Amino acid sequence: GIQVEQSPPDLILQEGANSTLRCNFSDSVNNLQWFHQNPWGQLINLFYIPSGTKQNGRLSATTVATERYSLLYISSSQTTDSGVYFCAVGGAGGYNKLIFGAGTRLAVHP
Amino acid sequence: KAGVTQTPRYLIKTRGQQVTLSCSPISGHRSVSWYQQTPGQGLQFLFEYFSETQRNKGNFPGRFSGRQFSNSRSEMNVSTLELGDSALYLCASSRGNEQFFGPGTRLTVL
Repeated sequence: GIQVEQSPPDLILQEGANSTLRCNFSDSVNNLQWFHQNPWGQLINLFYIPSGTKQNGRLSATTVATERYSLLYISSSQTTDSGVYFCAVGGAGGYNKLIFGAGTRLAVHP
Repeated sequence: KAGVTQTPRYLIKTRGQQVTLSCSPISGHRSVSWYQQTPGQGLQFLFEYFSETQRNKGNFPGRFSGRQFSNSRSEMNVSTLELGDSALYLCASSRGNEQFFGPGTRLTVL
């Protein structure tokens, strides 16, 4: 099956800093989503981005499907950005089965 | 539009018991998927239902089962609970590829 690797596993930032989270996947995908898991466990949708580039406020994401990676950019980080960020992919024929990476745990300090 | 809802939010059971969790998808979404999140294994796909039929299944024992009703609401059942079944159980609904998650049910098995 498809393997998903996220890096770095942990990231500590000062408020206001920028960061880049990476997601590598081992096969072609027809779905790629980025999530932020809040302290209560809910997965918050950030981007649905199987290819291309999207931006939403201070967050943006790029997926290069031919090279099998995706990047999540966080600019001017805030303490509320803290938490775990997950990349999840779905392959062709897998219907709505998402395969998750292990996540990047981000801590933003004031 | 209301999001995905899950009930109950918290549950404590003892080994050997069985449990039923419920998930109501976003209105108009016909696909419901279930995931288990544990500290050791991360987020893992359990199964997906679409139009009352199981369309995909993850690598879990037969003690884990589910069903979907005609109104797209879904339930999952775990029989003969084991300590290792303690986890956050998340359901997600979708109309296309993008999945939207509920707040989860946190199950503790004593």
